Amino acid sequence: EAGVTQFPSHSVIEKGQTVTLRCDPISGHDNLYWYRRVMGKEIKFLLHFVKESKQDESGMPNNRFLAERTGGTYSTLKVQPAELEDSGVYFCASSQDWPSEAFFGQGTRLTVV
Amino acid sequence: KQEVTQIPAALSVPEGENLVLNCSFTDSAIYNLQWFRQDPGKGLTSLLLIQSSQREQTSGRLNASLDKSSGRSTLYIAASQPGDSATYLCARRGGGSNYKLTFGKGTLLTVNP
Repeated sequence: EAGVTQFPSHSVIEKGQTVTLRCDPISGHDNLYWYRRVMGKEIKFLLHFVKESKQDESGMPNNRFLAERTGGTYSTLKVQPAELEDSGVYFCASSQDWPSEAFFGQGTRLTVV
Repeated sequence: KQEVTQIPAALSVPEGENLVLNCSFTDSAIYNLQWFRQDPGKGLTSLLLIQSSQREQTSGRLNASLDKSSGRSTLYIAASQPGDSATYLCARRGGGSNYKLTFGKGTLLTVNP
């Protein structure tokens, strides 16, 4: 069974550009999460989808970040326009309702220059 | 305010030693606690999940315990090996409909041959 997959693995963009990250959760997992780790900090929650609906987006830093999950399958996270402080590793995770064990992808390392 | 704290931040041990990694959390309204391993440049690998009703979980040489009343969890690694070298992260999931994981900063473990 395939795990959580994320694309791309690395992205280097200039300040002001747009970047779209993609996450494919484990098949059958209704819950999908985005997390981020910036340099020197702990991994922090961004948002949580249940199927195609946003259950909790309290961790989204500002309106330059837009997450979607059309059809309740894969999800995208768009950053527009990107700023230097957006650099970090963006993780996607998915889980079933029970036992709610979260499985993480390999992450996308975003560097904004 | 740091909700999840991991001590020590780094640990270096000789091969074969038994060791304990500590995780403490400030909110006892916990649904479950999950231990992860992260290798350099890689994603998070789930090691053990402890539900709030459980006191411990075991997988091979790993044993994780949970004490909700004191807000603590420990990860015990028996007979450590160089391949155990990685960053170990604990994350708590809050209660109710709050599915998000709150992470500690991790413990960087080095097992020397």
